Amino acid sequence: NAGVTQTPKFQVLKTGQSMTLQCAQDMNHEYMSWYRQDPGMGLRLIHYSVGAGITDQGEVPNGYNVSRSTTEDFPLRLLSAAPSQTSVYFCASSSAGVGTYEQYFGPGTRLTVT
Amino acid sequence: DAKTTQPTSMDCAEGRAANLPCNHSTISGNEYVYWYRQIHSQGPQYIIHGLKNNETNEMASLIITEDRKSSTLILPHATLRDTAVYYCIVRVEGGIETSGSRLTFGEGTQLTVNP
Repeated sequence: NAGVTQTPKFQVLKTGQSMTLQCAQDMNHEYMSWYRQDPGMGLRLIHYSVGAGITDQGEVPNGYNVSRSTTEDFPLRLLSAAPSQTSVYFCASSSAGVGTYEQYFGPGTRLTVT
Repeated sequence: DAKTTQPTSMDCAEGRAANLPCNHSTISGNEYVYWYRQIHSQGPQYIIHGLKNNETNEMASLIITEDRKSSTLILPHATLRDTAVYYCIVRVEGGIETSGSRLTFGEGTQLTVNP
């Protein structure tokens, strides 16, 4: 299993540009989520999905869109990049249901908006 | 989810036990204590979790007080590779219905293992 993969690893955008951060998992997990981590801080939840076709907002959703057309993929779209979105973005997945304990995180995408 | 309080930083000598405390005085009866760690620039990694009883796995031990208001993560023989930020998180057991799958991260404890 590759686990959770994220592309790209690094990205530089200009203010106002849009882009999509890719996330994929091969563990057949129902639950997927996106977090952002600003320097020196903990992770904050942006959006999450409990299954294909179902998404919901997390703590800091503004400026981001998500969709979940397949179980495997959960892309994060930046609609119009702003310097405040400079951060490290982590995707995570986990199995759903009672007895699930562990979330698996991807390696992160480091985004700089100038 | 209950709020947790952790020290900002701790140091430990290589080969010695690292004991990382966490206070969660408002924890509810159905909330578990989870520990994750984040090695520099990497995604967080699950370590261990528990409800009431002490737990041990190949990575660490988790000691939860009887009143469940605090816990301690123990790395029995810390190595330089254990240098990381350790997050203590309390939440209900995983499951879509509970929204418990969402993790709420605080700022964690920066553990530095020194040679």
